[in-house]
Amino acid sequence: DAGVIQSPRHEVTEMGQEVTLRCKPISGHDYLFWYRQTMMRGLELLIYFNNNVPIDDSGMPEDRFSAKMPNASFSTLKIQPSEPRDSAVYFCASSPNGGPTNEKLFFGSGTQLSVL
Amino acid sequence: AQSVTQLDSQVPVFEEAPVELRCNYSSSVSVYLFWYVQYPNQGLQLLLKYLSGSTLVESINGFEAEFNKSQTSFHLRKPSVHISDTAEYFCAVIPTGGFKTIFGAGTRLFVKA
Repeated sequence: DAGVIQSPRHEVTEMGQEVTLRCKPISGHDYLFWYRQTMMRGLELLIYFNNNVPIDDSGMPEDRFSAKMPNASFSTLKIQPSEPRDSAVYFCASSPNGGPTNEKLFFGSGTQLSVL
Repeated sequence: AQSVTQLDSQVPVFEEAPVELRCNYSSSVSVYLFWYVQYPNQGLQLLLKYLSGSTLVESINGFEAEFNKSQTSFHLRKPSVHISDTAEYFCAVIPTGGFKTIFGAGTRLFVKA
């Protein structure tokens, strides 16, 4: 398996522009998570999905952020309009459904977002 | 709600020296405990986990962590570190029966020659 795949690897954009980050989870994993990592706040959970349905979006900072999962193999995180304070590394992770041994998260390599 | 506190933001240590990275958690329910490692420019990888049973868990690369319920701690140790252990280490918890992993702020381990 190729693991969790995120694109783009790096994104540089100007303030006010729309940004879309993409994620392909590991096949068969029913849970998908979006995290944001910054020096100031560490790793923050933004939202997670179960079977393509958003379960908890309490970590989404503002209405400028939205996430979708149209099918089991694809998710997007969109920021519109983007602001410099959104600059961070955004990680997607997936996890299989099941019992206690399946709580492990599998992380993608992240998208480094810089908003100028 | 759960929270995780990693007491040291940075730990510099010389090669072949022992190291301990501290982690304390707070939770009103029982939890599973994890240590993840992040190498530069990479995503996080699971290092080890405690689900139940023996309170001492080990990883394949020589790290170990001990769950102490009375002190609500899950400190990570290695008796002799290598340069290649330089990375950021995250302690994390997930409530039993839940799927929302809560991470600590991370500890940056810097191993010097």
